[in-house]
Amino acid sequence: SQELEQSPQSLIVQEGKNLTINCTSSKTLYGLYWYKQKYGEGLIFLMMLQKGGEEKSHEKITAKLDEKKQQSSLHITASQPSHAGIYLCGADRGLYSGGGADGLTFGKGTHLIIQP
Amino acid sequence: DGGITQSPKYLFRKEGQNVTLSCEQNLNHDAMYWYRQDPGQGLRLIYYSQIVNDFQKGDIAEGYSVSREKKESFPLTVTSAQKNPTAFYLCASSRGTGVFGAVITDTQYFGPGTRLTVL
Repeated sequence: SQELEQSPQSLIVQEGKNLTINCTSSKTLYGLYWYKQKYGEGLIFLMMLQKGGEEKSHEKITAKLDEKKQQSSLHITASQPSHAGIYLCGADRGLYSGGGADGLTFGKGTHLIIQP
Repeated sequence: DGGITQSPKYLFRKEGQNVTLSCEQNLNHDAMYWYRQDPGQGLRLIYYSQIVNDFQKGDIAEGYSVSREKKESFPLTVTSAQKNPTAFYLCASSRGTGVFGAVITDTQYFGPGTRLTVL
């Protein structure tokens, strides 16, 4: 079963518009990681959220973790072509396997396309 | 430059052959990981190693083997027992915290990936 649900699965946005991607967990998150991937390439680390209510920003990308630590959102302001790619959220796998620092479990990703 | 390298970028294999994917890091990280990515399925953990000479199975270890003889290197062998090996393989590393049996946060950094195709 998929423990991390991402929505939407894909997103087409006109350049300059804002957008939001969501990541929901069935369990309380100890750490939630956001990565970006260009097709056929490795993952680029964006941000890690750990505390309930925490919010972090990197350039025009803002990520938030809700107070209950079960949902995170990634918001892009004034989207640009460089924002296109696949966005993945990840959580510590030990959360779902009984404990231990043993890798990440990922959502299926959100494919973002920016239309000029 | 510090980072994670994977080689080769593209790999073709005939059915029945074993093949080894290379992963090297110079970040002085203790922990290393192998993931497999398939279209529509996200990333799934194959094997991971928190320390040299020790490694653990992930969610989909069947048909794969690894070794961790050096801190910098974590090669993955895809054996002929792997039924559907065509996929994009990603290696990652993290600082590692030396804390076992507790869920902790430890950011992973990824290599550029190897695309394996079985002919």
